[in-house]
Amino acid sequence: QLQLQESGPGLVKPPETLSLTCTVSGGSISSRSYYWGWIRQPPGKGLEWIASIYYSGNTFNNPSLKGRVTISVDTSKNQFSLKLSSVTAADTAVYYCARHGKWTFDYWGQGTLITVSS
Amino acid sequence: QSALTQPASVSGSPGQSITISCTGTSSDVGDYNYVSWYQQHPGKAPKLMIYEVSNRPSGISNRFSGSKSGNTASLTISGLQAEDEADYYCSSYRSTNTQVFGGGTKLTVL
Repeated sequence: QLQLQESGPGLVKPPETLSLTCTVSGGSISSRSYYWGWIRQPPGKGLEWIASIYYSGNTFNNPSLKGRVTISVDTSKNQFSLKLSSVTAADTAVYYCARHGKWTFDYWGQGTLITVSS
Repeated sequence: QSALTQPASVSGSPGQSITISCTGTSSDVGDYNYVSWYQQHPGKAPKLMIYEVSNRPSGISNRFSGSKSGNTASLTISGLQAEDEADYYCSSYRSTNTQVFGGGTKLTVL
């Protein structure tokens, strides 16, 4: 059974860079059928897609985040990572990692709450 | 990047049917069949309920069905049950190579 697990600092100070890692188990991140993505959800609000990456390194980003996003993959560790720069309180959210094929997110991590506060 | 439009809330009694709409544009819902629906219970990760407009993943009850007409997709839940009470989100592929979610709909089972 495929499992995804997010890991991160919990608290980030503005305007630092938020760094998160998603570890994939029970399957290979190098599968040619899937992309791997990040989605966030501010407290009490809806879902927002952030970015996605293929095992080869091909990436897609949400243009509304205006170049603050870097997504990367480490196939040797079966992990992919997210960096979000210049964070503000508006970036406070639960961050999920997920697998998708044809833009359907079928497996999700449990999510990790990231709070941006000085 | 504007979200897809969903009603903030819907409600129904056990055994009834409800429909949640998801309105986009010709750049997303209207032009692609990559519409998905997710169910989210409080404090939990979203769960895939419908993909590619009308397909159910393995293990999802046939009480859940999806459809699309023009720029609007719909999720119908028949035979409402108490455990269906949750938030529901639609999503769609949007040109070019981006993904957009709806604002979410809170379903209350009366």
